Amino acid sequence: QLVLTQSPSASASLGASVKLTCTLSSGHSSYAIAWHQQQPEKGPRYLMKLNSDGSHNKGDGIPDRFSGSSSGAERFLTISSLQSEDEADYYCQTWGTGTVVFGGGTKLTVL
Amino acid sequence: EVQLLESGGGLVQPGGSLRLSCAASGFTFSNYAMSWVRQAPGKGLEWVSIIYSGAGATYYADSVKGRFTISRDNSKNTLYLQMNSLRAEDSAVYYCAKAPRGFVDYWGQGTLVTVSS
Repeated sequence: QLVLTQSPSASASLGASVKLTCTLSSGHSSYAIAWHQQQPEKGPRYLMKLNSDGSHNKGDGIPDRFSGSSSGAERFLTISSLQSEDEADYYCQTWGTGTVVFGGGTKLTVL
Repeated sequence: EVQLLESGGGLVQPGGSLRLSCAASGFTFSNYAMSWVRQAPGKGLEWVSIIYSGAGATYYADSVKGRFTISRDNSKNTLYLQMNSLRAEDSAVYYCAKAPRGFVDYWGQGTLVTVSS
């Protein structure tokens, strides 16, 4: 079964970097994912599509501070030079034929 | 500029029906799969349904299978979600999403559905 696992919360200081993790279920380590950001009281926003080889394609207007990488079944979102507006929920998403799956989300707090 | 504008949300009684619409612009609508995703208050994102381009194959989450129907009108660049036999647990903000091959690359602003007596 295709499942994505995320830590419920993360925190980092203003100006620092943070690396969020999304883990694909067993047997699905070759799958690409997408990262989405949801700021408080707003709708989700597409950040990037991240392939198993670490290559990624960012959405319109996404700053260079956001980057993605991959290792095995793990997919990472790194945010550098953290700003207050980066405080948000971050969701990973993947897909197969006839199915779309979201991770449970990681709530990022900027200290 | 891609725009997705949902409408049709509101308050409905348990067992009732509602049809959501999503007007799309800024891209060739007929060429892309489209999806509905919902978010209950204080909860995460939950995929609801997807309709592919071309032959228009449709798929549903188990939680809505048999009650919801996704459809599209390519001549009107509009996506629909017919929701029947609504339950309290269907209460959520419903988002329309452009979903090429399944991954979402654009989101609408959402429409709120409340199922309550």
